[in-house]
Amino acid sequence: NAGVTQTPKFQVLKTGQSMTLQCAQDMNHNSMYWYRQDPGMGLRLIYYSASEGTTDKGEVPNGYNVSRLNKREFSLRLESAAPSQTSVYFCASRIGRVSNQPQHFGDGTRLSIL
Amino acid sequence: DAKTTQPNSMESNEEEPVHLPCNHSTISGTDYIHWYRQLPSQGPEYVIHGLTSNVNNRMASLAIAEDRKSSTLILHRATLRDAAVYYCILRDSGVDFGNEKLTFGTGTRLTIIP
Repeated sequence: NAGVTQTPKFQVLKTGQSMTLQCAQDMNHNSMYWYRQDPGMGLRLIYYSASEGTTDKGEVPNGYNVSRLNKREFSLRLESAAPSQTSVYFCASRIGRVSNQPQHFGDGTRLSIL
Repeated sequence: DAKTTQPNSMESNEEEPVHLPCNHSTISGTDYIHWYRQLPSQGPEYVIHGLTSNVNNRMASLAIAEDRKSSTLILHRATLRDAAVYYCILRDSGVDFGNEKLTFGTGTRLTIIP
């Protein structure tokens, strides 16, 4: 019963390096989301995909790009990592188009940028 | 977006009931009240949601004030596993185009005392 799977779980990068965070869900959900969580703070939405083939900016999109590869997979790319992007990144999915269905979250990717 | 206010932290003894309050004085008539919780080193998980009537599920109960300006999440018999950050979030119940965006505040950190 995998749910939402994120890879990798941990990563250390140097400033300026690029990296792609992977997310896959096996619940046949339409909507997928990327959040970041900084220490002591709530989650902030980076990008989301309401359905396959669409993506939209969230609250804090600068410095990130996303790809909705297919219905299952939604990746987040850092083109040139900066120390300010050190955070825990969570991917979530939701069935979408049905009111009040919950979001289901992965266990996060802990990213440190030196 | 309507805002919620929660205490930063609460403590409770194991095997006793816990009442987690949330104020949402600017709630609109179409806003549902959702609760999520985040266990240590995990992504958030859905707990419960409601509109006007009190709600029960296997995890918790949600008591909603008659004027809907506040609500209380009730854990009937706290266990050590309930130690987490609890988030109270308002979500518009309007037409769902799959683009729901949850706004997480800082939540209430619940500590369970053995």
